[in-house]
Parts: sequence; C-alpha cells; structure tokens
Amino acid sequence: DAKTTQPPSMDCAEGRAANLPCNHSTISGNEYVYWYRQIHSQGPQYIIHGLKNNETNEMASLIITEDRKSSTLILPHATLRDTAVYYCIASYHFGNEKLTFGTGTRLTIIP
Amino acid sequence: EPEVTQTPSHQVTQMGQEVILRCVPISNHLYFYWYRQILGQKVEFLVSFYNNEISEKSEIFDDQFSVERPDGSNFTLKIRSTKLEDSAMYFCASSVPRGGRGNEQFFGPGTRLTVL
Repeated sequence: DAKTTQPPSMDCAEGRAANLPCNHSTISGNEYVYWYRQIHSQGPQYIIHGLKNNETNEMASLIITEDRKSSTLILPHATLRDTAVYYCIASYHFGNEKLTFGTGTRLTIIP
Repeated sequence: EPEVTQTPSHQVTQMGQEVILRCVPISNHLYFYWYRQILGQKVEFLVSFYNNEISEKSEIFDDQFSVERPDGSNFTLKIRSTKLEDSAMYFCASSVPRGGRGNEQFFGPGTRLTVL
C-alpha cells in the first residue's frame, strides 16, 4: 500500500470549510484514496473515496490532483461534531483489503 | 441504517485468562476484520476473514489469537492467554455487500480490553 502523509493537526472555525490535505506521491494506478475519521475513541467511520475524479457525498467532497499525488478532503460547513482524527488511506478497491492507518490529522473545530 | 455491533463494550480480565470478543457484522456483508488500537497509538490491522477462513493476518495475530464465525451472524476474536500488552480497543469491521465491490469498511464501536 502507498504511504500517505498528513499534517498532524489543524484548526477550523465552526461554519467554515475545513480543507484537509494528504500527500500520496507513491500511489499506484489501481489504488483508491479513502478517507476515514475517528471521533474520540469510537470506531473509525468511512467518509468518502475516489480514484481520479472529484467525488462528493452527503458528508464531504474529495478533490484529487490530476497527477494523483495528493488530495484534499473538504468538509463544507464544519460543525463541532466534526472534531476528530481524519485518516487518508491508499487502498485497492476490492474487499478483503486491510486498511493501513497512519497517525492522521487531528482536526479541531473552534466555536 | 445497519451497523456493526460489538459486545461487551468493556472487558476486564486477569493476565493469562482467555477472552472472547464478539461482533455482529452488517448482515449482508461478506468480509470481516479485526483491528486494535492501543491507547494513544495507531489503529492496527489484526486479521481479515472471508468465506469461513482467514484471508490475511498481521504479525500481531499470533497463535494466541483465533477468529471464528460460529453461526450466520456472529464473528468472534479469541485471545487464549491474555498478556498485559493485549490491553487495547478492539474494533470489528465488515465490508462489501453481496453483489457489491469496494473497500468501504464499517466499524463497530469497539471493545475496550483491560488486562490486569
């Protein structure tokens, strides 16, 4: 699995867009970019994934650069409940593939 | 919305004792996983399970660990003789509904295991 690099922490004001970057310069052509988050000590929660096109769902948007070496997760209107550790993971897009978690980005939403 | 459930939420045991952690994956999912997270550390993969057998296991998953799907709904992790360093949060996950694809894994709330 490709290694990903994320800033250790970020702050964002409540109501603003939170933009979380991730570098994955060694990602292979078949690996997708997955984002999960972990609120306090709860189980990780799937957010979104993509291969090369930008993706959007009810939780977030994912912007992947054309060379696929980096991506940005966007939470459009951050709330206090979005305070969590966010993980960017490169993974093949089939079942039975283990997830390799790094240390992620600790996002703190400031009231 | 279907979810992964785990019991118990907290298990305290003495070193050397056997523990069984239980999980009920999402009912139509095909792949099952156990991960653990020692306090303050990363989430670590332990084992994946498909079609009633282990697909992959990590170095952590030694002979003291075993997994089983005893019926159509439960998925268990057994630690035969617990050690102090087994103290951690253990997360179960499941993925891929029948006919589906992808690696969106859905995690349970975890079992906090404390070994004294």
